[in-house]
Amino acid sequence: KQEVTQIPAALSVPEGENLVLNCSFTDSAIYNLQWFRQDPGKGLTSLLLIQSSQREQTSGRLNASLDKSSGRSTLYIAASQPGDSATYLCAVGAGNNRKLIWGLGTSLAVNP
Amino acid sequence: DTEVTQTPKHLVMGMTNKKSLKCEQHMGHRAMYWYKQKAKKPPELMFVYSYEKLSINESVPSRFSPECPNSSLLNLHLHALQPEDSALYLCASSQPAAGLGELFFGEGSRLTVL
Repeated sequence: KQEVTQIPAALSVPEGENLVLNCSFTDSAIYNLQWFRQDPGKGLTSLLLIQSSQREQTSGRLNASLDKSSGRSTLYIAASQPGDSATYLCAVGAGNNRKLIWGLGTSLAVNP
Repeated sequence: DTEVTQTPKHLVMGMTNKKSLKCEQHMGHRAMYWYKQKAKKPPELMFVYSYEKLSINESVPSRFSPECPNSSLLNLHLHALQPEDSALYLCASSQPAAGLGELFFGEGSRLTVL
């Protein structure tokens, strides 16, 4: 059974730091992996989608990597800003249905 | 346009009421989803429509009734709900694919059942 774990559960950093959020999964048979951002009480915003054949994706200050063999993905945020404060969720697409398997998220606070 | 629009944003209903949540997307996506999210938890899949046909029902109680009138619209009809059904209901869409396409979510409808 596929399980997704995100470490750390919470992170507090000063503005300007580069930071890494981690996501691990137990079964390497995935279609893709998505990183989302969620602000309190709001919907989810898709940040990056990495297909199983890809190793990384970049969007602005965000870079996500995927290592299927080790069951890991990292989300790198460069030069963090207070506006980056949110919960970051990782989800893997696996199986024959359209079900994403979710991590519990990392709650990020970037302090001015 | 990468928007998924959900209405209403907030809904308060009694256990005997009938109400509906609505979702609309104009990205040409042919897969649409309903998720339920409780505080500090990830979203839980409820229903998936693919090409306007219900393809997945995650054993959701019949007091939740989905409907997909056309490729751009998705409704969730609510009847005789319980207080434990209070949650954020999220609609999402994607292109159907052999695996999963990128999922785009709406802002959600915050439901409170009294």
